[in-house]
Amino acid sequence: GENVEQHPSTLSVQEGDSAVIKCTYSDSASNYFPWYKQELGKRPQLIIDIRSNVGEKKDQRIAVTLNKTAKHFSLHITETQPEDSAVYFCAATPHFGNEKLTFGTGTRLTIIP
Amino acid sequence: DAGVIQSPRHEVTEMGQEVTLRCKPISGHDYLFWYRQTMMRGLELLIYFNNNVPIDDSGMPEDRFSAKMPNASFSTLKIQPSEPRDSAVYFCASRDGTGGGNSPLHFGNGTRLTVT
Repeated sequence: GENVEQHPSTLSVQEGDSAVIKCTYSDSASNYFPWYKQELGKRPQLIIDIRSNVGEKKDQRIAVTLNKTAKHFSLHITETQPEDSAVYFCAATPHFGNEKLTFGTGTRLTIIP
Repeated sequence: DAGVIQSPRHEVTEMGQEVTLRCKPISGHDYLFWYRQTMMRGLELLIYFNNNVPIDDSGMPEDRFSAKMPNASFSTLKIQPSEPRDSAVYFCASRDGTGGGNSPLHFGNGTRLTVT
């Protein structure tokens, strides 16, 4: 089955700086890669996703890039703000309709004011 | 829409007791998922349903765990008997698969289970 590795496990950045979280996946058939944000004590919520037919997607301060050849994808957050502090999870699935998402182990991002 | 509703929010029980977690998916969503979250193992898919039918339960840890979906608006996850290692946050999630493609998962607020 799919295996997703996520790095780093913790990340601290100064407010205003950029943060990058990286994930690799094992199944070359994977075609959908969402990112979820989980604030302390709350539920995971989708923040951005990318499909395998595109290499990059951007939504305001958040962007995701995908390298299918290398089987890795990354989350980029620019101009970080205190409310960006949370745990971020990447995920991948080779199944149409994302029935079986495999999640990474999460990155705890702390924004230092 | 109220989103995915789970109950209870917190459950504390003694080892050996039966535990039942409940979930109401978003109306109209045809997929329902049960996930378990722990520090050690992260988010693990336990089981998922499509149109109330269990499709894949390969993530269910052992026979002590069972899940049902008697109708489109209700699902339960039962642990009997419970053990301390079952302590975790259990999330229910749903999605709308009728439009095709990759629609996002909507998670509930989770049930924090503590087994003493």
